[in-house]
This record gives sequence, structure tokens and C-alpha cells, in this order.
Amino acid sequence: QSALTQPPSASGSPGQSVTISCTGTSSDVGGYNYVSWYQQHPGKAPKLMIYEVTKRPSGVPNRFSGSKSGNTASLTVSGLQAEDEADYYCSSYAGSNNLNYVFGTGTKVTVL
Amino acid sequence: QVQLVESGGGVVQPGRSLRLSCAASGFTFSSYAMNWVRQAPGKGLEWVAVVSDDGSNKHYADSVKGRFTISRDNSKNTLYLQMNSLRAEDTAVYYCARNLGYDYWGQGTLVTVSS
Repeated sequence: QSALTQPPSASGSPGQSVTISCTGTSSDVGGYNYVSWYQQHPGKAPKLMIYEVTKRPSGVPNRFSGSKSGNTASLTVSGLQAEDEADYYCSSYAGSNNLNYVFGTGTKVTVL
Repeated sequence: QVQLVESGGGVVQPGRSLRLSCAASGFTFSSYAMNWVRQAPGKGLEWVAVVSDDGSNKHYADSVKGRFTISRDNSKNTLYLQMNSLRAEDTAVYYCARNLGYDYWGQGTLVTVSS
């Protein structure tokens, strides 16, 4: 199972928006509405930010939003804040053969 | 609140074995599938293995199949990863993560495979 493709980096100034893409195939992203996004600060564990494409866990600011079109999912961070600077990973359900989710390659978001 | 605490990491020589543990609290452990996910230094996340809520179904990444074994003890609220025939490329921080969507993660335990 190949990793989902994300851009290596993205950036924006405080208050601006940044959108990160996550491209897979019809066997993962395009086939299921089970795309999640994780935020990881240096030396810390990943944190779930978005699940089932668009849903936010309790406590996640509504500045974070998710969407999907075809085989590509996206995470948008609006009103960028300094604490949003982190690595972001997507993941998608990849079928019941292995009960596993495949991860994206990761995107480093820099707040300028 | 949900807590996952990994332990058992360390430095081990190639070819040797190590067993990781993940102690769970704050939720009904026996109701959730559990995963091990690893992250090599400076690299991305890699799913390693998953076990169903009752322990009856287990699946592994091709990179560890035949060498690693995932298990759980629901009476102890603990997840395990037995790692045999370790290789340098297994060096990583190993995280346990709850559920098929990885909704909660532990803080990770570092495994270094080196002679």
C-alpha cells in the first residue's frame, strides 16, 4: 500500500489561510469517507484534528476544516496562528483486507 | 480522560528481540481496536500492526510481517508488540494508537537498533 501524497511544505502569514492536499487513489481516499488529519509538533505525539473527512473532535478549533473531491482530500487552516506551525499528516482507510489506514507523506506548515 | 502510556523501548542489537507495552486508561479498552504506529527519525508515520477489540484479528505491515506480533490483555488494559529479528530500519519511535482512525495516541517509546 503506497503512502498518500502531500506537499512537503506550506506556509502563510498569521491570520491567513493555508490548504494542504492529500492525494490517493480510488482504493483509499476516493473510495471511503474515512480521511483523517493529524497535527504533530516536534517531539510530540500526533493529535487528531479532523476525522471522517470533515468532522472535528471536541476541542479542535473551528479554524481547521476538511474536505474531499475525488481522490484528493484537503485540510484548510484559517486564521493561521503561531501555534499552528507543525507537521500535518493525512490518513485514509484503505479497505478491509488489512483493517489499516494508510498515511500521507506529511506537510510542514510554517507560519511566516 | 483517555491515556495511553508506552514502555519497553531502548537500544538493542540487530537480530535481538524487544517487547513494547502500552497501558491504557480512561476508556473501555476491550471495546476498541488498537494499533502500533512508528516514526523513524526525521521521517513520516508508518502503520505497523492492528489488533481487533477482542484480540481475534491481527494484521501487519509487510515490513514487519513474520517478525512482529501484536497482542493484548483486556484484563490488564494493556497492548503489546513483540519485536523479533530486529533490524536497523526498525529504529523509530513506536506509538500505540486507539481505534481504526487513531483518535488517541500515546507519547511514544524510542527503539534504537544498533550494534
